Amino acid sequence: QQQVKQSPQSLIVQKGGISIINCAYENTAFDYFPWYQQFPGKGPALLIAIRPDVSEKKEGRFTISFNKSAKQFSLHIMDSQPGDSATYFCAANTGASGGSYIPPFGRGTSLIVHP
Amino acid sequence: DTAVSQTPKYLVTQMGNDKSIKCEQNLGHDTMYWYKQDSKKFLKIMFSYNNKELIINETVPNRFSPKSPDKAHLNLHINSLELGDSAVYFCASSQGTETSHGYTFGSGTRLTVV
Repeated sequence: QQQVKQSPQSLIVQKGGISIINCAYENTAFDYFPWYQQFPGKGPALLIAIRPDVSEKKEGRFTISFNKSAKQFSLHIMDSQPGDSATYFCAANTGASGGSYIPPFGRGTSLIVHP
Repeated sequence: DTAVSQTPKYLVTQMGNDKSIKCEQNLGHDTMYWYKQDSKKFLKIMFSYNNKELIINETVPNRFSPKSPDKAHLNLHINSLELGDSAVYFCASSQGTETSHGYTFGSGTRLTVV
């Protein structure tokens, strides 16, 4: 299974601070990079996603920065709030699945935002 | 509500038993998946299935088998349960085999094997 490498494994941030989670990929065929947010006892939910034709996408306090040449992308959470405390997963998908492709997820980052 | 729903939410069973987890989606998606999430939160794909093709992660033991009566349902059957099968199992769906619009996940089934 092709890998998406996610870091850090855990992150503690003070309320109002910036949370940054990084992911790196290898396969240049990936053309869709989503982030998922998972709260305890719930399934992951799509938070924000980016395609490689743009370098940044912002939705409210959440921003994805994408570096195609470095094959890296990151999630930035501005003005982090205690309600953002969750596990975050990056993924890398391709539309050219050919029926034999299983998109990989990163190993997850546990974010704790202290009040 | 449009969603992916799984039952049961909790399942406690003894080693050696056979159990099933049901999954249904009313999103009109035609591809469904099963993921296993371990205690370290790692999400491991187990199966990807649409009405044309079953893709099996080669690391999944053959005690695990997906069963799909129609494209809105993908159940997971597990034979001869082992302690190491204890985990949270998530069903998910997407539109077609193209996953470029992300997955919709169910809320999970916590399986405990004792």
